[in-house]
Amino acid sequence: DVKVTQSSRYLVKRTGEKVFLECVQDMDHENMFWYRQDPGLGLRLIYFSYDVKMKEKGDIPEGYSVSREKKERFSLILESASTNQTSMYLCASRGRRSYEQYFGPGTRLTVT
Amino acid sequence: AQSVTQLDSHVSVSEGTPVLLRCNYSSSYSPSLFWYVQHPNKGLQLLLKYTSAATLVKGINGFEAEFKKSETSFHLTKPSAHMSDAAEYFCVVSPFTGGGNKLTFGTGTQLKVEL
Repeated sequence: DVKVTQSSRYLVKRTGEKVFLECVQDMDHENMFWYRQDPGLGLRLIYFSYDVKMKEKGDIPEGYSVSREKKERFSLILESASTNQTSMYLCASRGRRSYEQYFGPGTRLTVT
Repeated sequence: AQSVTQLDSHVSVSEGTPVLLRCNYSSSYSPSLFWYVQHPNKGLQLLLKYTSAATLVKGINGFEAEFKKSETSFHLTKPSAHMSDAAEYFCVVSPFTGGGNKLTFGTGTQLKVEL
């Protein structure tokens, strides 16, 4: 069974903290993605990676960075969290020859 | 450039009646189109996809969608709603026929199913 897992379902952090969100997939997929989901805005792509150590900016990369040291793991980093980064964060993965992106359950991050 | 417009933010139907969720798109390329569903506190799940084959696409749980190029639409339908269909639905466009990495999501339609 396809599986994308995210390290936390809920996270509360303070303004200025460095935040790590972890995503792991067990499908040997080449492509991995980080989105944020906000009411009324749908999902917006932050960053994606098409191979180990490779990354590309999505539509809203400002304030975020990513790391992909192993094929199965893709991390999203908030260098200095701000209140406007309070959101639901969704990770996804996709195989090279597949149409479908598989999503994790999401991490609801609150920055106070 | 590409964009997706979901014409209704909320749709309410009675159980057993038809469902129609509307989606219009624009794309500079021949698009791939998808519908995803998100149940409360769950990740997104693919319902169905259009990738330049048959224009009437059947998906899981009795849903289907028709690609109409002349109307730039990809509306999602189901003949008879079930309580378990209550969820948020996203229409998604990709510029490449193969799917690609640059998906553009609509803002979502919340489907409510009443007894």
